[in-house]
Amino acid sequence: QKEVEQNSGPLSVPEGAIASLNCTYSDRGSQSFFWYRQYSGKSPELIMFIYSNGDKEDGRFTAQLNKASQYVSLLIRDSQPSDSATYLCAVNPNNNDMRFGAGTRLTVKP
Amino acid sequence: GAVVSQHPSWVICKSGTSVKIECRSLDFQATTMFWYRQFPKQSLMLMATSNEGSKATYEQGVEKDKFLINHASLTLSTLTVTSAHPEDSSFYICSAGSLVSYEQYFGPGTRLTVT
Repeated sequence: QKEVEQNSGPLSVPEGAIASLNCTYSDRGSQSFFWYRQYSGKSPELIMFIYSNGDKEDGRFTAQLNKASQYVSLLIRDSQPSDSATYLCAVNPNNNDMRFGAGTRLTVKP
Repeated sequence: GAVVSQHPSWVICKSGTSVKIECRSLDFQATTMFWYRQFPKQSLMLMATSNEGSKATYEQGVEKDKFLINHASLTLSTLTVTSAHPEDSSFYICSAGSLVSYEQYFGPGTRLTVT
């Protein structure tokens, strides 16, 4: 089992819709969770981090964490074509190292 | 977020030569820096973790004698690809983290092409 699993996609949503990206992780002791966005040919950019169970909202982005289910998700409301990118879920199991999922490719169609 | 720079942004070298890539944290002190490699259409692969003033910890399968990492100060880490071969051609990305927060901030990456 991979440490961090994501559906590789591609996930395609129409402009203005909600995009839902999901991630599961294997290390039950993980404490911090991150979502990065990576445009083609560029390095990852941190979008959000979440440490506690529940929802965390930042603008059009909402991160959701359920430690019991070892599940973290990212919702993007009012999706825009500029949101088209690969989204990487990352888990920090021991507060020093970080493990990345393979990423989900999102396409927002105008 | 914190600013991390990398230099060069791209480099082309001949097979057998060595290439040094610099990673700098510009506005915070990075106690730990990470080096990743990413092949086209694949995810990030952690190569090594370096802590300031100590030897780097390499991931399984990464040759420490080929990928030399030096983290001499809290703002600078270098990766030297020695005796580069075409299969080393990749996108190399560093990131910096601190003990204060658990986020990692990525540099813009260095695209290495070995001919």
